[in-house]
Amino acid sequence: GAVVSQHPSRVICKSGTSVKIECRSLDFQATTMFWYRQFPKQSLMLMATSNEGSKATYEQGVEKDKFLINHASLTLSTLTVTSAHPEDSSFYICSARGDRGGYGYTFGSGTRLTVV
Amino acid sequence: RKEVEQDPGPFNVPEGATVAFNCTYSNSASQSFFWYRQDCRKEPKLLMSVYSSGNEDGRFTAQLNRASQYISLLIRDSKLSDSATYLCVVQTGNQFYFGTGTSLTVIP
Repeated sequence: GAVVSQHPSRVICKSGTSVKIECRSLDFQATTMFWYRQFPKQSLMLMATSNEGSKATYEQGVEKDKFLINHASLTLSTLTVTSAHPEDSSFYICSARGDRGGYGYTFGSGTRLTVV
Repeated sequence: RKEVEQDPGPFNVPEGATVAFNCTYSNSASQSFFWYRQDCRKEPKLLMSVYSSGNEDGRFTAQLNRASQYISLLIRDSKLSDSATYLCVVQTGNQFYFGTGTSLTVIP
């Protein structure tokens, strides 16, 4: 079945630094990638949607200059949290929709970001 | 072996039917379990958490079987609006593992 590999699974960084999260589709082409975050005891919240080769579409309230999304190839999308602050500490997860309709949405395993 | 296995379906059922989804997990140390619902091209939304004692919310019943390492979701009296993809989610430590989702279509 479709697999999305997400790395790192856990990262601790200092306030003011940038963190890059990668999601790779291993056996299918991810034409669309969704990025979510989830704060404790809350549901996944969609941050942005990106299609390969085009600019990401951000949800209301999500700063595009802070959360940089790159989807330069059909198998790789990255989310960079720039100048991270403690309030950015969250669980970030990607979800890919591939070119084979039967797979639906495949999720990465998530990244736990802690900014100290 | 995948952390979470879920039958992708699709399940096509008539209105009013009862439908059940199962999801198995591989790590016996997993501590929390959830069912999410996802509509087409939208983000998954938490449907319900799953507790060892089982829990019910209206037409939806979720159960956890730790011995066999599976969780289930039962939908009674299916409505057209129940058509969606249902994701099971298993938390192990600080990691969340998602099933690939089960597609449900309720037919008039």
